[in-house]
Amino acid sequence: AQSVTQLDSQVPVFEEAPVELRCNYSSSVSVYLFWYVQYPNQGLQLLLKYLSGSTLVKGINGFEAEFNKSQTSFHLRKPSVHISDTAEYFCAVTAFNTNAGKSTFGDGTTLTVKP
Amino acid sequence: DAGVIQSPRHEVTEMGQEVTLRCKPISGHDYLFWYRQTMMRGLELLIYFNNNVPIDDSGMPEDRFSAKMPNASFSTLKIQPSEPRDSAVYFCASSRPGQGVNEQFFGPGTRLTVL
Repeated sequence: AQSVTQLDSQVPVFEEAPVELRCNYSSSVSVYLFWYVQYPNQGLQLLLKYLSGSTLVKGINGFEAEFNKSQTSFHLRKPSVHISDTAEYFCAVTAFNTNAGKSTFGDGTTLTVKP
Repeated sequence: DAGVIQSPRHEVTEMGQEVTLRCKPISGHDYLFWYRQTMMRGLELLIYFNNNVPIDDSGMPEDRFSAKMPNASFSTLKIQPSEPRDSAVYFCASSRPGQGVNEQFFGPGTRLTVL
């Protein structure tokens, strides 16, 4: 089984500041890793994903994440945030040896960007 | 593709009434997931299907909840009888992991209010 821990439930930052949203995971097998974003009153949408290859993954809206296998982490970063980045962010993992399709989601981190 | 389609977008009903939520997954996706999201409990996986067959319904809260997938393009989540504690946003998502589409595509959600 897999588990995901998002270390911060809320992250307030000022506009144009950098931000890091932290995600650690636990799994006995190799996993795929995802970050989703949920804007108010909308469903979740994919920001980026790590399947294999380069451990630095770039996603939409200027976000990137780095997979660290030794630390079992997949932290999300953006060098300069905008007001429009205010949303809830979910980290998720899927075991890739079972082809089960099911993802385990973290509890979410609410990013609030202040002017 | 139109994405995952859910209906209705909003539902207000009275305690004791039957509620049916509907979902049309993305064409070609063979996994379908039902989630519930509340402030208190976050995002919860209720049940998921593979090729129209329920694989894991351990997240279904109780016998008042039931889900069906009669064909590859339609699924329902039914609550009978409904209770105020069922008030939440219900999301449907689909994916196609066997073809490399490992991420889940979420619908816009149905906001259910039980009075």
